[in-house]
Amino acid sequence: KAGVTQTPRYLIKTRGQQVTLSCSPISGHRSVSWYQQTPGQGLQFLFEYFSETQRNKGNFPGRFSGRQFSNSRSEMNVSTLELGDSALYLCASSPGGLAGVPNEQFFGPGTRLTVL
Amino acid sequence: AQSVTQLGSHVSVSEGALVLLRCNYSSSVPPYLFWYVQYPNQGLQLLLKYTSAATLVKGINGFEAEFKKSETSFHLTKPSAHMSDAAEYFCAVSLMIYNQGGKLIFGQGTELSVKP
Repeated sequence: KAGVTQTPRYLIKTRGQQVTLSCSPISGHRSVSWYQQTPGQGLQFLFEYFSETQRNKGNFPGRFSGRQFSNSRSEMNVSTLELGDSALYLCASSPGGLAGVPNEQFFGPGTRLTVL
Repeated sequence: AQSVTQLGSHVSVSEGALVLLRCNYSSSVPPYLFWYVQYPNQGLQLLLKYTSAATLVKGINGFEAEFKKSETSFHLTKPSAHMSDAAEYFCAVSLMIYNQGGKLIFGQGTELSVKP
């Protein structure tokens, strides 16, 4: 099976712009979670989508949003970029299923976003 | 609130020596626990997971971890370090609570160096 893919791998944007990142999960996986990784804050949960619905959300401002399509592919969007948004954005997929049961998550290689 | 603490942001061992990476968690409900490894410029790869079955869990590449409820710990060990083990290691917890299953809470990470 192909792994989780993320596009693009690298992005450079300027403050105030917006950006869209894409994630294709492993075939058959219905849950996609997004994480932000920075040297200062570490790995932080952004949100999880399952069957096109946001099932859980972390403590990030409303500038961070996401969506999931019927084929389980997911996108996340960051509007009005700030310098502090520079980070590695990782998505992870899992089979999903019961909302309360943790599944093993498989991570993509990430998108490195640099905000100038 | 749930949290994960990894003791030691940097650990250095000699090749062939024991690897011990420490992880303690705080959780109000029985946790699912994971260890992930991250190589430079890559995503996270699952090493092993604890899901309330056997307390001693064996993973890939010779790693294992033991869940100790009384100590709220899930330390990662490997009997003999190899140069290829040099990477950053993350301990993570996920909870069997409605809609929380897709969220991983990560520790700050431990960078492992292996000296020849």
